[in-house]
Formats: sequence, structure tokens, C-alpha cells
Amino acid sequence: DTGVSQNPRHKITKRGQNVTFRCDPISEHNRLYWYRQTLGQGPEFLTYFQNEAQLEKSRLLSDRFSAERPKGSFSTLEIQRTEQGDSAMYLCASSLTGTPGETQYFGPGTRLLVL
Amino acid sequence: AQTVTQSQPEMSVQEAETVTLSCTYDTSESDYYLFWYKQPPSRQMILVIRQEAYKQQNATENRFSVNFQKAAKSFSLKISDSQLGDAAMYFCAYRSPGGATNKLIFGTGTLLAVQP
Repeated sequence: DTGVSQNPRHKITKRGQNVTFRCDPISEHNRLYWYRQTLGQGPEFLTYFQNEAQLEKSRLLSDRFSAERPKGSFSTLEIQRTEQGDSAMYLCASSLTGTPGETQYFGPGTRLLVL
Repeated sequence: AQTVTQSQPEMSVQEAETVTLSCTYDTSESDYYLFWYKQPPSRQMILVIRQEAYKQQNATENRFSVNFQKAAKSFSLKISDSQLGDAAMYFCAYRSPGGATNKLIFGTGTLLAVQP
């Protein structure tokens, strides 16, 4: 049973460029979540999917952000026209409905630095 | 809206001693879940312990236990026999029961140092 994986682990980009992150959840998990964590803060929810359907989006998810989970397996998070304020750790988590507490299991994150 | 507050930005404990991390939350819901997650430096977040609000019994996992006070909206984590590997950032998190949302709401974290 492999855990949640995320790629890349680190990304440095210049302001204005587009970036895309990938998350592979635990294989049988039907729910997938994206969070953003800035230095010294707890993670903040961005969006979540149940299978391929995007069921909730935070107000933090501006128009420059888009997430997909096309076949209900892996997910991508794209940020267009990056800004310095987008610099953060982007965390992915997955869970399985019907399990006790429906615990979310986190990946190692993608650390984004926008110069 | 629900909120989670961790009032201790940093804590320190001697190896083999016991430490308690505090967490309070605000909600109007009667049923919910509470979690403690551990985030070691440069490593991924892992679940430490989970508590269902409908359960009166406090959850325990080996050296980790909680003191869940529903009326006071308090959810503290006790770490017994602290080990060097317990050094990490600890986050308290709240989740509503299934339905409208499944997102976790996190506190700002407590950085725990373990002194040898």
C-alpha cells in the first residue's frame, strides 16, 4: 500500500509563468483534496474531488487556479500567471468514504517558489 | 464558520517526560471529528489520533492520548514518555460530518521540541 505521492517536490518559477502539480492518491481512495500551507501556518483547504467530480472549491481558489481529476485517479493543480503570493507548500490528501472518521492521508507536498 | 485555535506556538519537553498541547475550537455543530496531525521537519503530515465527537471516551494511541471536553470545546493532546522522534509541528484539525463539506480546518500549529 503506497501512500499519497506528489510531483514535483520542489518547483521554482518566475512570476507570470504557469505551473502544474500532480497528485497520486492512495489507490482505492475515492476522495482527493488540495490544501495550501504557508510558512508558520496550518494548511488551508483549496478544493476536493469525489471520484472525478469537483465538489467544493474554496474562495482561496482564484480564477488562476484550476484542478482536475479526469479519471478519478490522479489529480493536477495548475496555477496560471503565477504571483509571488502563490509561493507556498501545496499539499494533497486522499480518503476513502465509509471508513472510520474518513481520515485524510497526506502526501509530502510540492513546495513552490515564485521569483 | 468553524475555527480552530492553538494558543501555544512552541513547546518544549524533556525526553521521557509528558507534555500537553492545547487546542480549542468553535462550532455550532453537535457532531464532528477532531484530529491531531504531526508534521516533522521537511516530512509529510501524518495522523496522530482521531476523536469522534459523539464518543465520550477519550481516544488513545500508544503514548498519545486526548482530553476531549465537548462542552468546553477543548481537545488537548498528551504525549507521554516523550521521544526525540516526537519533535515536530503538531496541528489540531476539525472536520464536519459527511455531507456539505469534508474539508479539514486546521489550527496554526504548535512546534514541539524534545530535549535530550
